Amino acid sequence: IQLTQSPSSLSVSVGDRVTITCRASQDISNYLAWYQQKPGKAPKLLIYAASTLQSGVPSRFSGSGSGTDFTLTISSLQPEDFATYYCQQLKSYPLTFGGGTKVEIK
Amino acid sequence: EVQLLDSGGGLVQPGGSLRLSCAAAGFTFSGYTFTWVRQAPGKRLEWVSTISASGAGTYYADSVKGRFTISRDNSKNTLSLQMDTLSDEDTAVYYCARKAGSSWLYGVDVWGQGTTVTVSS
Repeated sequence: IQLTQSPSSLSVSVGDRVTITCRASQDISNYLAWYQQKPGKAPKLLIYAASTLQSGVPSRFSGSGSGTDFTLTISSLQPEDFATYYCQQLKSYPLTFGGGTKVEIK
Repeated sequence: EVQLLDSGGGLVQPGGSLRLSCAAAGFTFSGYTFTWVRQAPGKRLEWVSTISASGAGTYYADSVKGRFTISRDNSKNTLSLQMDTLSDEDTAVYYCARKAGSSWLYGVDVWGQGTTVTVSS
């Protein structure tokens, strides 16, 4: 199952609303997770089951979608949110990741 | 504290072997499925292999099948990845990680800090 993320990068300002999309090549129901990765660090789970916020993750992060089209939204970007974001499908092996979206400071 | 500690990375020549380890602490290791994920420099995350809680079920990416072997020792709370016939395409940071619950719906919630494997002559 291929995952296509868009955009691959975006330049935004603190306080902006950010939307990242992830499209699956076939129906994965809601077997989708979103991760945040900062340089030199391991990924961090943000969202699982497409729309459920992982414990401890700020409520400005939200996820939506089902089937083949998914969205990660950051309602008001904070300085600590500048990072690369990945989606992952967990419906079937191989457990593929999207290409990543790098969120940079404008 | 729940944590995973990766180790065993290093520099190896093409065709060589390396064994990665992941030590778990702060939770009941035997109750979880684990996975290895790697990331080549500047590239996306790539799933490598998964092993079930009992160790009876193992799964591999096509790119490593037949060369890598995942295993676990529930008595020592340790996960391993034996990597043979390495090529430069295996150069990456390797992360061990924990499946969050009984279903993959819950994602991968705990990650090691990563260990770097460099394949070069």
